[in-house]
Amino acid sequence: NAGVTQTPKFQVLKTGQSMTLQCAQDMNHEYMSWYRQDPGMGLRLIHYSVGAGITDQGEVPNGYNVSRSTTEDFPLRLLSAAPSQTSVYFCASSRRDTPYEQYFGPGTRLTVT
Amino acid sequence: GNSVTQMEGPVTLSEEAFLTINCTYTATGYPSLFWYVQYPGEGLQLLLKATKADDKGSNKGFEATYRKETTSFHLEKGSVQVSDSAVYFCALIPWGAQKLVFGQGTRLTINP
Repeated sequence: NAGVTQTPKFQVLKTGQSMTLQCAQDMNHEYMSWYRQDPGMGLRLIHYSVGAGITDQGEVPNGYNVSRSTTEDFPLRLLSAAPSQTSVYFCASSRRDTPYEQYFGPGTRLTVT
Repeated sequence: GNSVTQMEGPVTLSEEAFLTINCTYTATGYPSLFWYVQYPGEGLQLLLKATKADDKGSNKGFEATYRKETTSFHLEKGSVQVSDSAVYFCALIPWGAQKLVFGQGTRLTINP
């Protein structure tokens, strides 16, 4: 089991560029989430999904899009990168009956210049 | 609304010292409470949980007790090790909800 995998590990973008952060899990988990981690602010939920074809907004969704076409994959798209999106991004997954027991990927460190 | 407040870090201790990291919460209804740990360069891992008042969660020598009267869930360990150096996050799920609400995290460094 690979668990939750994320690519890339590091990325530098220029303002206005777009990109997709990849996330995949092999545990057949129904729930998947994207968080951003900023110093002194803990983790903030960007978007989440309770199953294939179903997504919803979290606390800080502006500037990001998601889709969930399969149970395994949950990519996060930055439409037009801004310096305020410089952060560490974590993808997580969990079973429907234990939504609190989230399995996190290793993270993607994104810098927008 | 729902929120979690943790003690300010960073916290630096010597090996074998006693550890307390304070966590208080605000929530409607009866939330479930959690501590997550993030080791350097890794994602978060669930450390322990408590789902109702007076429950004590424990794992790897860490403990936390769900105190409804003080809305607290302080993390304790009797004798810390260098390998406990990490960032610790307190979190809650409101009753009937599915989304975790995290505190800001407390960085712990243990010196040999």
